[in-house]
Amino acid sequence: DSGVTQTPKHLITATGQRVTLRCSPRSGDLSVYWYQQSLDQGLQFLIQYYNGEERAKGNILERFSAQQFPDLHSELNLSSLELGDSALYFCASSIGAGNSPLHFGNGTRLTVT
Amino acid sequence: AQSVTQLDSHVSVSEGTPVLLRCNYSSSYSPSLFWYVQHPNKGLQLLLKYTSAATLVKGINGFEAEFKKSETSFHLTKPSAHMSDAAEYFCVVSGNNDMRFGAGTRLTVKP
Repeated sequence: DSGVTQTPKHLITATGQRVTLRCSPRSGDLSVYWYQQSLDQGLQFLIQYYNGEERAKGNILERFSAQQFPDLHSELNLSSLELGDSALYFCASSIGAGNSPLHFGNGTRLTVT
Repeated sequence: AQSVTQLDSHVSVSEGTPVLLRCNYSSSYSPSLFWYVQHPNKGLQLLLKYTSAATLVKGINGFEAEFKKSETSFHLTKPSAHMSDAAEYFCVVSGNNDMRFGAGTRLTVKP
């Protein structure tokens, strides 16, 4: 058990809708990362937060947004969903902002129909 | 800037034979290097990490990796494959707050 909790485990929704994915980092970790994994794109880094502040941005679409709250949990908001957004979304956490190992949750599987 | 290349997208071995998963990296910094494993429908799990201490790094489940600066490589090995090792493996390079994942190597273990 990595100590990182993601909810929900599965999400099925329709195109055009909006969803929120939630992540609770491992106790003591200040950084939260979001990744998208799909068969055609592989593992794509979306965004990183460190202690409530955005730290790094990857291949995150403008329709997607995230935030990290004072209690360090994070939410990833996906809006105007398209079929191509169907993927596994992973949250990971680490102690520091830089080169610390990541601890991954088990992911949220999003299916857009 | 940095990058990581996993040289094989798929490796197939027989149970009980050695495993070699190859990873080359490029980094302008003194990098940290990691290997992660992902079993089906699970998150990635840290196997081992190199952070400029010993060049031969031992990880969980009998895996180890050797950092070779002259070859810019960080290959993952295991002397004897087990059926439970079948999974996707990711090599990661990290430096100056920039973390890059390889494309992954799928390991198949035949009985």
